[in-house]
Amino acid sequence: AQSVTQLGSHVSVSEGALVLLRCNYSSSVPPYLFWYVQYPNQGLQLLLKYTSAATLVKGINGFEAEFKKSETSFHLTKPSAHMSDAAEYFCAVSAGGYQKVTFGTGTKLQVIP
Amino acid sequence: GAGVSQSPSNKVTEKGKDVELRCDPISGHTALYWYRQSLGQGLEFLIYFQGNSAPDKSGLPSDRFSAERTGGSVSTLTIQRTQQEDSAVYLCASSLGGSNEKLFFGSGTQLSVL
Repeated sequence: AQSVTQLGSHVSVSEGALVLLRCNYSSSVPPYLFWYVQYPNQGLQLLLKYTSAATLVKGINGFEAEFKKSETSFHLTKPSAHMSDAAEYFCAVSAGGYQKVTFGTGTKLQVIP
Repeated sequence: GAGVSQSPSNKVTEKGKDVELRCDPISGHTALYWYRQSLGQGLEFLIYFQGNSAPDKSGLPSDRFSAERTGGSVSTLTIQRTQQEDSAVYLCASSLGGSNEKLFFGSGTQLSVL
């Protein structure tokens, strides 16, 4: 069985500040990890994914995430927040193969001008 | 079609009635997922199809919930004897197959049970 825990249901940052959204996973096998984003009144879309090729994964809109096996973490970062980054972000995990994809409870990011 | 299509986009029903929610995945996508999104609950997994079979039904909340997929394409999620706690956004997603693949989400069905 696999699961993810997202620390902080709401995160506020100032425009231009570092964005850090936390995700810890639990998996009995090497996991596949994902970050999805849901902009206001839009559907969910993939931001980035980790599939064991490289531990530092770069995604769209300047976001990146680092897979740390020792910490069972996959935190999402962006060096400088933009107003357009305001959205809800979901971390997800899968055991691969034909196993289901399990999502976290989400973190709403607010960007303050 | 170009994307995952869900219908209806909104459904208001009375407690105790049955409802059917439809999902039309991207052509060629073998995997299809149903999730439920409620305030503060994130995306709750309901059921997953690979082709027409459902390897994982573990997320269905009760026996009032059922889903089927025919022809490896369209899926229907049925909720019988709806309750107010069933009110949520029901999301469908599809992918090319393995669970390392990107999920493509539909816009969802907002279900309101009065």
